[in-house]
Amino acid sequence: GAGVSQTPSNKVTEKGKYVELRCDPISGHTALYWYRQSLGQGPEFLIYFQGTGAADDSGLPNDRFFAVRPEGSVSTLKIQRTERGDSAVYLCASSLSNEQFFGPGTRLTVL
Amino acid sequence: EDQVTQSPEALRLQEGESSSLNCSYTVSGLRGLFWYRQDPGKGPEFLFTLYSAGEEKEKERLKATLTKKESFLHITAPKPEDSATYLCAVQAPSGGSNYKLTFGKGTLLTVNP
Repeated sequence: GAGVSQTPSNKVTEKGKYVELRCDPISGHTALYWYRQSLGQGPEFLIYFQGTGAADDSGLPNDRFFAVRPEGSVSTLKIQRTERGDSAVYLCASSLSNEQFFGPGTRLTVL
Repeated sequence: EDQVTQSPEALRLQEGESSSLNCSYTVSGLRGLFWYRQDPGKGPEFLFTLYSAGEEKEKERLKATLTKKESFLHITAPKPEDSATYLCAVQAPSGGSNYKLTFGKGTLLTVNP
């Protein structure tokens, strides 16, 4: 079956711009996670949704980052006033139980 | 704060040369320990979950084991296609969530033909 998909695969933007990253989870998976991975590092947790609500947003670095999942399926990660330090691969994962299945990620580059 | 340390950072093996990767962890109340494989430019691919000390799981040339302080990923007679970064992650109650994963930095495995 289809896995987790993320769009776009690559996003280049300029400092100060707004970006949206999209995640389509595996059908039927109720939990959805966003992680961020910098070069040479493991993924770092950002936010976790159970259904439509954010159950844990403790990993969001500041209030420029926001995520929604209005219908309990697709999620969008929104970053305002991007900074060069936001450059990373943003990974989405979904799960039905404990095991989390990851998408291919969106590589964000802020110039 | 949950901590995960993986060693070595990088490992080069000849095809057929068995070895082990280490994942040491410090958590309060481990819910599960996860191993993932990550190829360049791709997302992590789920391999195993271990829940309690003494548990072992196998998949092809890979075997994962768990103790109260660390996990090992044993690779038997590796092939070049096993070359990848192997990530270890722990799941423990933290910040109101029981489900987020805390990852190590990974071990970059290269298997030469």
